[in-house]
Amino acid sequence: GQSLEQPSEVTAVEGAIVQINCTYQTSGFYGLSWYQQHDGGAPTFLSYNGLDGLEETGRFSSFLSRSDSYGYLLLQELQMKDSASYFCAVDSSYKLIFGSGTRLLVRP
Amino acid sequence: GAVVSQHPSRVICKSGTSVKIECRSLDFQATTMFWYRQFPKQSLMLMATSNEGSKATYEQGVEKDKFLINHASLTLSTLTVTSAHPEDSSFYICSAGGTGGNYGYTFGSGTRLTVV
Repeated sequence: GQSLEQPSEVTAVEGAIVQINCTYQTSGFYGLSWYQQHDGGAPTFLSYNGLDGLEETGRFSSFLSRSDSYGYLLLQELQMKDSASYFCAVDSSYKLIFGSGTRLLVRP
Repeated sequence: GAVVSQHPSRVICKSGTSVKIECRSLDFQATTMFWYRQFPKQSLMLMATSNEGSKATYEQGVEKDKFLINHASLTLSTLTVTSAHPEDSSFYICSAGGTGGNYGYTFGSGTRLTVV
């Protein structure tokens, strides 16, 4: 089977740094993506890792270790608007499989 | 950048009727379109993959006769929920695959279906 595991909820303070982990087990793997989704909205793309290592995009960074089937999303300088659900997704056999999602709550 | 337009954004229908949801790629050709369903506070579950000009590939457990997918052109894919029931009420989202650049898949804005 295919599974992607994430923590269900994370709470952090405005201005802080938070890390959301993702472990995966899929039949194929071409890369790991991260998406943000606000309530009632569609997912928006944040970051992608096709190779091991760290990718940085502004306040967001993502890391991948293919040997460990593990990745994480790092959000820095948290803002209230970052309160949302975050999904990791594996590009597997030409389709995107989503993780269970992490609900991030940013407090003042 | 790549844009996928999805309509309608919200629809309420009576039990037993059918509802069609459209997804259009506005500035690129989408040879592959993915259809997802998302229940409240849950993840996006892939329902099917549609390829232009061929039959859709459905994920295990998804009824192909209930969720009809048509991808007749490179810019339009449709999902028809046939004989809808209240348990089909959900958020349906389409996505075009492999639009390049940032390696991301471009998503439509979603359709909130409520069956009463």
